[in-house]
Amino acid sequence: GAGVSQTPSNKVTEKGKYVELRCDPISGHTALYWYRQSLGQGPEFLIYFQGTGAADDSGLPNDRFFAVRPEGSVSTLKIQRTERGDSAVYLCASSEHGDSPLHFGNGTRLTVT
Amino acid sequence: AQKITQTQPGMFVQEKEAVTLDCTYDTSDQSYGLFWYKQPSSGEMIFLIYQGSYDEQNATEGRYSLNFQKARKSANLVISASQLGDSAMYFCAMREMDSSYKLIFGSGTRLLVRP
Repeated sequence: GAGVSQTPSNKVTEKGKYVELRCDPISGHTALYWYRQSLGQGPEFLIYFQGTGAADDSGLPNDRFFAVRPEGSVSTLKIQRTERGDSAVYLCASSEHGDSPLHFGNGTRLTVT
Repeated sequence: AQKITQTQPGMFVQEKEAVTLDCTYDTSDQSYGLFWYKQPSSGEMIFLIYQGSYDEQNATEGRYSLNFQKARKSANLVISASQLGDSAMYFCAMREMDSSYKLIFGSGTRLLVRP
């Protein structure tokens, strides 16, 4: 079956612009996660959804970052007023239940110039 | 405090040999899970193996086994009969199930398998 799909695969934007990153989880997976990975580091947790609600958003670095999952499937990570420090690979993952292994997408590489 | 610690930034192993990648964790939860993921240079994150805190047996998946020592709070990954395709970054991760189901990752170990 289809895995986790993330679009776009690459995004280049100018400092100060707004971006949206999309994640399409594996069908039927109720849990969805967003992570950020900088070069040479482990994935950094951002936010976790169970169904439509954000069960844990403690990893969002500041109020420029926001994520939604309105119908409990596709999720969008939104970054306002982008900064160069936001450049990273943004990974999305889904799992069948809250305690199942995560299945990751291939990520969106965001570059802020 | 670091939740997950991987003290080996890089490791070498000879092809066909076994290698152990270290992972220690810190939690006050009684119920938690430990995971290992592999990330090749292509960037995809591949789930390898899982160990629950209440599992009495060490987890095994093919050539991967997890050496779980609960009292020491360690969850080392053992790869037997290393192959060239095992060259990658390896991440240890923990989910604390008493609080949130988020997965927290360590900083990773880069493994290079020599022919």
